[in-house]
Amino acid sequence: QKEVEQNSGPLSVPEGAIASLNCTYSDRGSQSFFWYRQYSGKSPELIMSIYSNGDKEDGRFTAQLNKASQYVSLLIRDSQPSDSATYLCAQGGGSTLGRLYFGRGTQLTVWP
Amino acid sequence: DADVTQTPRNRITKTGKRIMLECSQTKGHDRMYWYRQDPGLGLRLIYYSFDVKDINKGEISDGYSVSRQAQAKFSLSLESAIPNQTALYFCATSDPPRGLAGPNTGELFFGEGSRLTVL
Repeated sequence: QKEVEQNSGPLSVPEGAIASLNCTYSDRGSQSFFWYRQYSGKSPELIMSIYSNGDKEDGRFTAQLNKASQYVSLLIRDSQPSDSATYLCAQGGGSTLGRLYFGRGTQLTVWP
Repeated sequence: DADVTQTPRNRITKTGKRIMLECSQTKGHDRMYWYRQDPGLGLRLIYYSFDVKDINKGEISDGYSVSRQAQAKFSLSLESAIPNQTALYFCATSDPPRGLAGPNTGELFFGEGSRLTVL
């Protein structure tokens, strides 16, 4: 069983702050990592993918991958109330070829 | 129209009934998946298929079966529904990420979900 652990929530930050979401995984062979955002009652939507060690930035979002420590994180800068959602971490590749394993999600609330 | 379409979107049924959830996609992807989501448990994989002749069990396949009727269609069946199968079900598709070597897994594209309630 491949484990994907996310930091327990819920997480609450004020508007304009940086929200930090963390995820650890157990499969050292994993090569694909994703962050999905899910609004209540809606389907998950991809916001970031990362395949190499280091940082990847896209607008207000930065994904960080550290394969040696087996963690991946998501930073949301200048958080907005519209960022309030559940964030799901997922890993795939390696021994889980073609499959994604998801964490349980972290609920983020950004208050005005 | 959505690229990944699930029907029905909502269904209430009784214990012991047979239920089929259908998924169709226009993305042209070979890989299709069925996940279920329960509060606090994230997404758990039920079955997945890499092409029409390939069906694989996921983490929680007991009580479920699937059929891949065509590249674009993947159905999930509950032969005899029970209350603990009450959940939100998602169909998803993917293709391997382009330009990347090795056993990578591409992003998933999800349908809008099917909410199933078993009384």
